[in-house]
Amino acid sequence: GDSVTQMEGPVTLSEEAFLTINCTYTATGYPSLFWYVQYPGEGLQLLLKATKADDKGSNKGFEATYRKETTSFHLEKGSVQVSDSAVYFCALKFGNEKLTFGTGTRLTIIP
Amino acid sequence: DTAVSQTPKYLVTQMGNDKSIKCEQNLGHDTMYWYKQDSKKFLKIMFSYNNKELIINETVPNRFSPKSPDKAHLNLHINSLELGDSAVYFCASSQDGIYNYGYTFGSGTRLTVV
Repeated sequence: GDSVTQMEGPVTLSEEAFLTINCTYTATGYPSLFWYVQYPGEGLQLLLKATKADDKGSNKGFEATYRKETTSFHLEKGSVQVSDSAVYFCALKFGNEKLTFGTGTRLTIIP
Repeated sequence: DTAVSQTPKYLVTQMGNDKSIKCEQNLGHDTMYWYKQDSKKFLKIMFSYNNKELIINETVPNRFSPKSPDKAHLNLHINSLELGDSAVYFCASSQDGIYNYGYTFGSGTRLTVV
């Protein structure tokens, strides 16, 4: 079946460091890809998405590019802030089917 | 105005009790979901309803029963609660036909069974 594999956490970085959280997927066909963020004590919020190969999703300084060749959708940010501390989930979806999540990566940013 | 709202936010109860969690969405979405998030943050889908019809029913104990009185509401009833049911339960909704649209999540209900 379809699945998403995320980089294991936790990840701890200093403020202003460069962030990469790896995400790869296994699927038959070309799903839509998503990154969700969960801040402490809150629900999941859509951070960014991409619907076809080579699309780049971006929001709040975060970016991810849909790479069909490597079946990847890695999340990047050039300079992280303490407020970016959260759990990040990569996910995929085909059409109206269910959203399949990765296991989540906990990110902690130290001042 | 909250898009997907869940009540209660916290629920502490004893083993063996029966409890319900309510979810309402005011987005006009066609499909609603229940997800369970365990202590390691792993998210697992439990149920999905489309216009009051059950379309996803993952391997979940039959002590869990969803009910959708209309397409804006999806409630979760849990019978004979067990310690292992302790988790955060998230409700979500989505709009059919918009394939690149993700889900909108509620803020979660933290269930603690003691």
